[in-house]
Order: sequence, then C-alpha cells, then structure tokens
Amino acid sequence: EAGVAQSPRYKIIEKRQSVAFWCNPISGHATLYWYQQILGQGPKLLIQFQNNGVVDDSQLPKDRFSAERLKGVDSTLKIQPAKLEDSAVYLCASSLGSLGARSEGTQYFGPGTRLLVL
Amino acid sequence: GQSLEQPSEVTAVEGAIVQINCTYQTSGFYGLSWYQQHDGGAPTFLSYNGLDGLEETGRFSSFLSRSDSYGYLLLQELQMKDSASYFCAVNNYGQNFVFGPGTRLSVLP
Repeated sequence: EAGVAQSPRYKIIEKRQSVAFWCNPISGHATLYWYQQILGQGPKLLIQFQNNGVVDDSQLPKDRFSAERLKGVDSTLKIQPAKLEDSAVYLCASSLGSLGARSEGTQYFGPGTRLLVL
Repeated sequence: GQSLEQPSEVTAVEGAIVQINCTYQTSGFYGLSWYQQHDGGAPTFLSYNGLDGLEETGRFSSFLSRSDSYGYLLLQELQMKDSASYFCAVNNYGQNFVFGPGTRLSVLP
C-alpha cells in the first residue's frame, strides 16, 4: 500500500514570495490534515478536510494561507506572501475517518516539505 | 482552550524501561494517541487509547485515565533506535487532533 506522498521535499524562497505544497493521501482515506511543525515543537494542525469539505481551519492564517481538496483526494496548501516565521516543515497526514477505536487515533504522515523563508 | 504537557527530555540506558507522561486539558476528548518521530522523519503512529486502561503493543504500552486527564507511554527493553521524540496527541470529537510539545528520548549505551 502506497503511503502519503508530498512534494516538493524541500523549498527555499524569499519573504513575500508564494509557495505551494502538494499532498496525495493514502487511497480511500477520507480525512486529510495539513500540519505545520516548527523545529523543536509538536505538529500544529492548520486545516482538516473530510472528503472535500473543511472540518477545521481555526488555526489557518487565512490572510496568507489557503488550502483546497477539490475532488476529495489530493490537496494543495499555498502560502502567499510568505513570512520568515513560516519556515517550518509542512506535514500532510491522512486517516480513514471511520469509526473504530484504533482507526480513530491513527494518522499516516507523509515525509513533509521543509520550507525555508529567507 | 486546549493544552497538553509532556516532559521536554528523558534519558535512559539500553535495556531499561522509561515512562513518558502526558497531561491534557481539552474539550470533547475522545482518545489519546502516541507518535514517534526520528530527527528529520515524519511522525509514525505507536498507540491509541480510547478507553481507560493499558494498551500493549510489543515493547510499547500506553495508559489512559480519563478522570485524571492523564496518560503515559511505557517503553520497555530500550534500544538505541528508540532515541527519538515522542508526542502525545488528543483526539477530539470530529477527529480533530492536538499534539503535545514532545519529549525527546535519548537512549545511552
């Protein structure tokens, strides 16, 4: 079974530029998450999709960040314009989104995109 | 608001047993998960507690007490490869996840 795919793996941009990250979840996973992980901290949820609908985007800086999951499969996260403090690893994860004690706690993470804003 | 607390660092020797605690404050609590993350890697799922008590998976066990808003991860027969960061994560209703700050485990020979 293929895992969660993300691209690019690394990106270096200058502040005020724009950048986009792509994620393809595990086939059949209804729920997709985007996290921001700053060095030395835990992942912070930016946005959560259930199929192609947004479940939670309360921590997404909507003035500069946007995300979409148009067909309920792959997703894109965009930052425009980027700031220095956006330097972080952006992790995409997916889960089945179905009932069941074990599956509800299980997210599968992609390798992440390391973003450096100069 | 929601918050989780974990020790920032733990050190132990190979073959030992170590316990990493996690306390949480949240609304709509559904369960507690544990993830392992090696430097430069992605978090990987270790264990999940939806009910009070102990869950055992090989060398790893996890415990939850809902009444105390507390859980822990127990790692037995420590190996060098267990050196990593460990995160507890609260699973709220609607599958919203909140991760703790992480505990860096160093296993010494």
